[in-house]
Amino acid sequence: AQKITQTQPGMFVQEKEAVTLDCTYDTSDPSYGLFWYKQPSSGEMIFLIYQGSYDQQNATEGRYSLNFQKARKSANLVISASQLGDSAMYFCAMREAYGGSQGNLIFGKGTKLSVKP
Amino acid sequence: DTEVTQTPKHLVMGMTNKKSLKCEQHMGHRAMYWYKQKAKKPPELMFVYSYEKLSINESVPSRFSPECPNSSLLNLHLHALQPEDSALYLCASSQDLGWEQFFGPGTRLTVL
Repeated sequence: AQKITQTQPGMFVQEKEAVTLDCTYDTSDPSYGLFWYKQPSSGEMIFLIYQGSYDQQNATEGRYSLNFQKARKSANLVISASQLGDSAMYFCAMREAYGGSQGNLIFGKGTKLSVKP
Repeated sequence: DTEVTQTPKHLVMGMTNKKSLKCEQHMGHRAMYWYKQKAKKPPELMFVYSYEKLSINESVPSRFSPECPNSSLLNLHLHALQPEDSALYLCASSQDLGWEQFFGPGTRLTVL
């Protein structure tokens, strides 16, 4: 079974608008972490934001925020005021404390975001 | 310095060649990783080093041989590769296992 599900293979957003990228996860570990990475066409994976399973508040980093709904097992990335440079592939990833991944990252299949001028 | 560097950026090699990919970080991180990424797919974990010891080998063929000479360096030695090994090879490091990983720019490998 997929541990990380990103249901949107591709998304379009108008410049300056906000966009939400979906991510749902599956784990029975009480302690886990959720990450979002951005990968432009150049190839480098850029760390964006992290949410721990025990964190009480949703994580925010500049224009990025994570809408963490623990009961629904979702960790959606919200990008506010989209810019042309936000066009990239976005990966959601999870780290389980005790699961088979041994603390390493499990990636979703990614969502390709295209920002239109 | 919050950077992971990788050399070379691009590599073309024949199936009988021996080559090496290099990765370096100066953030004092104790975990380092090699990933393989095919086009339009997520990265696949290959190897993990923790405190300079091989922690995880994800059933990678022996034609890929990792080496961690010291806490800042990670190499991936390549020998007798196949065309299907052509991919983007990403190196990453983290403060310790399970912490956020910081990736290098990758090496685009083409095997002819």
